[in-house]
Amino acid sequence: GAGVSQSPRYKVAKRGQDVALRCDPISGHVSLFWYQQALGQGPEFLTYFQNEAQLDKSGLPSDRFFAERPEGSVSTLKIQRTQQEDSAVYLCASSSGLVKTQYFGPGTRLLVL
Amino acid sequence: GQQLNQSPQSMFIQEGEDVSMNCTSSSIFNTWLWYKQDPGEGPVLLIALYKAGELTSNGRLTAQFGITRKDSFLNISASIPSDVGIYFCAGLNNNDMRFGAGTRLTVKP
Repeated sequence: GAGVSQSPRYKVAKRGQDVALRCDPISGHVSLFWYQQALGQGPEFLTYFQNEAQLDKSGLPSDRFFAERPEGSVSTLKIQRTQQEDSAVYLCASSSGLVKTQYFGPGTRLLVL
Repeated sequence: GQQLNQSPQSMFIQEGEDVSMNCTSSSIFNTWLWYKQDPGEGPVLLIALYKAGELTSNGRLTAQFGITRKDSFLNISASIPSDVGIYFCAGLNNNDMRFGAGTRLTVKP
């Protein structure tokens, strides 16, 4: 499709389990962003890639969160040893460059029990 | 946490009424954006504003980039039931985008 896609759309994990969330950006978009959205809140920035380079990871809440984009296209957000407070919607967005409009995917809803 | 103050938090209006919501920040932003998010979906861009003082329309939607670069408002005219959803303002500087907490709009037919 033409838009940003994310998978899985829903993920239920037991506390302590590792999870991996995938983002397929719009083809040709060099910039890719991950956000975390808690219930009733706006998205909060996690990390940013330009091509394969992770240029900003200041928003990652702990060292249990790790993101990669090895070939400058698909990105994976990994959360190790999940905790209940990790439950949220994880949104991916892509843009054609810095300062350009970001287009969001549908999100992955993560529930940690 | 959120750096943008968005108000009101929620609105209940009658179909056909006009709606206004706004966003303020303690920081300057070079770009202001307004997104709409439906349940179970990601935010969808409605309007982007790139210059201080800019007034931009998209159909029934009108948004303005405040002259101080610290605020923006969104107006929706003649609301219809499909306007229901959560509206987010966002301020963007380079790769740093900050969102408001959202305005939940309910439109009664």
